[in-house]
Amino acid sequence: DVKVTQSSRYLVKRTGEKVFLECVQDMDHENMFWYRQDPGLGLRLIYFSYDVKMKEKGDIPEGYSVSREKKERFSLILESASTNQTSMYLCASSLGQGAKNIQYFGAGTRLSVL
Amino acid sequence: QKEVEQNSGPLSVPEGAIASLNCTYSDRGSQSFFWYRQYSGKSPELIMFIYSNGDKEDGRFTAQLNKASQYVSLLIRDSQPSDSATYLCAVTGWAGGTSYGKLTFGQGTILTVHP
Repeated sequence: DVKVTQSSRYLVKRTGEKVFLECVQDMDHENMFWYRQDPGLGLRLIYFSYDVKMKEKGDIPEGYSVSREKKERFSLILESASTNQTSMYLCASSLGQGAKNIQYFGAGTRLSVL
Repeated sequence: QKEVEQNSGPLSVPEGAIASLNCTYSDRGSQSFFWYRQYSGKSPELIMFIYSNGDKEDGRFTAQLNKASQYVSLLIRDSQPSDSATYLCAVTGWAGGTSYGKLTFGQGTILTVHP
């Protein structure tokens, strides 16, 4: 079974802090994704990566950055956390391109910025 | 127009009934279509994917795809209270020659199956 592990289920941070959210997958997947999910707004893509050290902006990259130094690990960084970044953050991975490119999700990190 | 639209819900059906969840998409180049289920406080999990016109059945679940009408649906037969969840439709396509597996998600439809 594919396993996508997010380092924390719950995080509470202060405004202005630098926040790191970590995601690790164990299936040698090429693609990794970071989403945030808010009530009424659905899943929104922040950043994705299709290879080591490669990254692309998603729909809402402002205020975030990412790092992918190893294939299995994809980090989301909030450079200076703000209250409007309070959300559920979901990491996902997928094997590669093609019609059956299923994304597998981690359990999610619920971040509160106070 | 949103890229992927789902019937707004919430949808409430009695136990044993058929639940019908609908999704339309705007990109004619879309290749594959996915249905995810998300329980409250949990992450999405894949139920089915479909990429050819017609029906695909898996147990109590049937996905239906009509590319000409840009429409995909999920039918749940013999609905159970454990089916109560948010159902997300997701679509992948080819933008600029490659998609890198990006999915575009609908807003989700909340389904409640009452005993």
